[in-house]
Amino acid sequence: ETGVTQTPRHLVMGMTNKKSLKCEQHLGHNAMYWYKQSAKKPLELMFVYSLEERVENNSVPSRFSPECPNSSHLFLHLHTLQPEDSALYLCASSQEWGRHTGELFFGEGSRLTVL
Amino acid sequence: SQQGEEDPQALSIQEGENATMNCSYKTSINNLQWYRQNSGRGLVHLILIRSNEREKHSGRLRVTLDTSKKSSSLLITASRAADTASYFCATNQYNNNDMRFGAGTRLTVKP
Repeated sequence: ETGVTQTPRHLVMGMTNKKSLKCEQHLGHNAMYWYKQSAKKPLELMFVYSLEERVENNSVPSRFSPECPNSSHLFLHLHTLQPEDSALYLCASSQEWGRHTGELFFGEGSRLTVL
Repeated sequence: SQQGEEDPQALSIQEGENATMNCSYKTSINNLQWYRQNSGRGLVHLILIRSNEREKHSGRLRVTLDTSKKSSSLLITASRAADTASYFCATNQYNNNDMRFGAGTRLTVKP
């Protein structure tokens, strides 16, 4: 148990569906992250929020839409996804973001399958 | 884009042996971190080394950092079957503060 909870753990959706991934942390951290992990590829940094403001958006397609309503919650809204978007989506948090970014605490991930 | 690159991609050893994994990176860093991931699970932080440090120890783990060569190594001594996992290096990049991960080394420790 790392203190970062992701739901759902598994999600199967069609290309026309709209779904959301949820991440919650009660560690008092100020930064939250979304990473995508595909088979045999490095983790891809998707979005970073620091103090509830987006500080990083790494050319992620607009079919992925993040939302950070407060410092404890992070969402990834999904719509009209493609089969190649099937992957493990990992949420993480850290005490702060920037030059002194320390340990990242990861959730267990949401395994997404797009049919 | 990928920052760290680990090698080897896969490593298989016997229990009790030492395992060494290497990481190379391209741009200047604030710090470098090593993580472990069991299959299909989240990553777990192992150790952090700052750019002004050269070596760090934590239990059976020893990490070295050579900023002139832009490389780091993770040594696991007296390995156990429970050490079987994927190991990733991650760099906190100096220019944009991103946390970037490599593709990982898959370590198998045979009992």
